[in-house]
Amino acid sequence: QVQLVQSGAEVKKPGASVKVSCKVSGYSRSEVYMHWVRQAPGKGLEWMGGFDPEDAETIYAQKFRGRVTMTEDPSTDTAYMELSALRSQDTAVYYCAMAPDFTFDYWGQGTVVTVSS
Amino acid sequence: DIQMTQSPSTLSASVGDRVTITCRASQSISTWLAWYQQKPGKAPKILIYKASILESGVPSRFSGSGSGTEFTLTISSLQPDDFATYSCQQYEAYPWTFGPGTKVEIK
Repeated sequence: QVQLVQSGAEVKKPGASVKVSCKVSGYSRSEVYMHWVRQAPGKGLEWMGGFDPEDAETIYAQKFRGRVTMTEDPSTDTAYMELSALRSQDTAVYYCAMAPDFTFDYWGQGTVVTVSS
Repeated sequence: DIQMTQSPSTLSASVGDRVTITCRASQSISTWLAWYQQKPGKAPKILIYKASILESGVPSRFSGSGSGTEFTLTISSLQPDDFATYSCQQYEAYPWTFGPGTKVEIK
């Protein structure tokens, strides 16, 4: 079955960057249509960006544009999300999620990112 | 951006109850709406897509309806495993946006 396994928890200082990985297994199609969603403590889900198959490019939410980079390494079936210039408001659980049909069908287990001085 | 709202924010119910959650979009999204269930400390799980299509493996007590700007998720007979938070999500236009969630708790 499809599995998305994310990297472990991170603690970062304000101003630093974090890079979260997400390894995909058990998926037969070549494109994984990976997206990233975050959830701050006690808050709702927030879409950060992901791959748009119609335009064949990665789309970022305006809020994160300039601070986030989403990449994929097909040789290792791993996706990455790097967020820079971290602030305390970026403390959240970060999820990778695949959207092959425009909905989030498969999710990683989540990576806790804590930003604290 | 398309804003999604949900009501109620919290719902207290008993096993066997019929439960309805409402989701509203700030503009028409046709039927480009999904519902997710999330339990504490876990990733969300998709229940319904295109407003009313049940994801494979999801129990038939879950159903969705609506189009345009108003949508509902109904659980016909609440089971112990259903106590969780439910969120709607529109995928009509970027940025994809979620509702704030409805927590279904034990009465």
